[in-house]
Amino acid sequence: GAVVSQHPSRVICKSGTSVKIECRSLDFQATTMFWYRQFPKQSLMLMATSNEGSKATYEQGVEKDKFLINHASLTLSTLTVTSAHPEDSSFYICSAGQGTGELFFGEGSRLTVL
Amino acid sequence: AQSVTQLDSQVPVFEEAPVELRCNYSSSVSVYLFWYVQYPNQGLQLLLKYLSGSTLVKGINGFEAEFNKSQTSFHLRKPSVHISDTAEYFCAVSETGGYNKLIFGAGTRLAVHP
Repeated sequence: GAVVSQHPSRVICKSGTSVKIECRSLDFQATTMFWYRQFPKQSLMLMATSNEGSKATYEQGVEKDKFLINHASLTLSTLTVTSAHPEDSSFYICSAGQGTGELFFGEGSRLTVL
Repeated sequence: AQSVTQLDSQVPVFEEAPVELRCNYSSSVSVYLFWYVQYPNQGLQLLLKYLSGSTLVKGINGFEAEFNKSQTSFHLRKPSVHISDTAEYFCAVSETGGYNKLIFGAGTRLAVHP
């Protein structure tokens, strides 16, 4: 299957700083990528749909100024958590598809904000 | 919009016993259905998917699921579980088509005991 890679896998930052997470489709082009957030022992909640060359579409309740998404190329989407606070600590997972209906998921990025 | 209900938050079972993890969905349009497994501190691994065709779908690690349109269900089964099957299992649904977002159920924790 197709491969989606995330970086970094773990990041610890101080409160008030910004953190960027990268999501790459390694062997295919992805015009659309999805960003999910997962709290401990909970399910994956869709945050936003990242569209190459245009603005992301955010789910209700997700602050677009807090979670900046940039999909500058067909193989890269980035999620920047701005002015991070402890409540932003979570597991962030991206996914992308090849147009077959199946989505391929990255390994996830665990953010800890001190 | 779609939604997914996983009826059991936890399922304890003894090793080598059969198991069924239940999943029901709601949608006004045609759907694709998926089961994913997540081991602690890891990303998602696709177990199986229903996109079209036979309603009985076989996946990896001996798992299978049956799409029942009339009951809007997609229950996951395994005839004989192993200790290594202990993990969190997520049912997910998307609209048919190439690039649609996945909506996840709350997850079911499968705990296999010796």
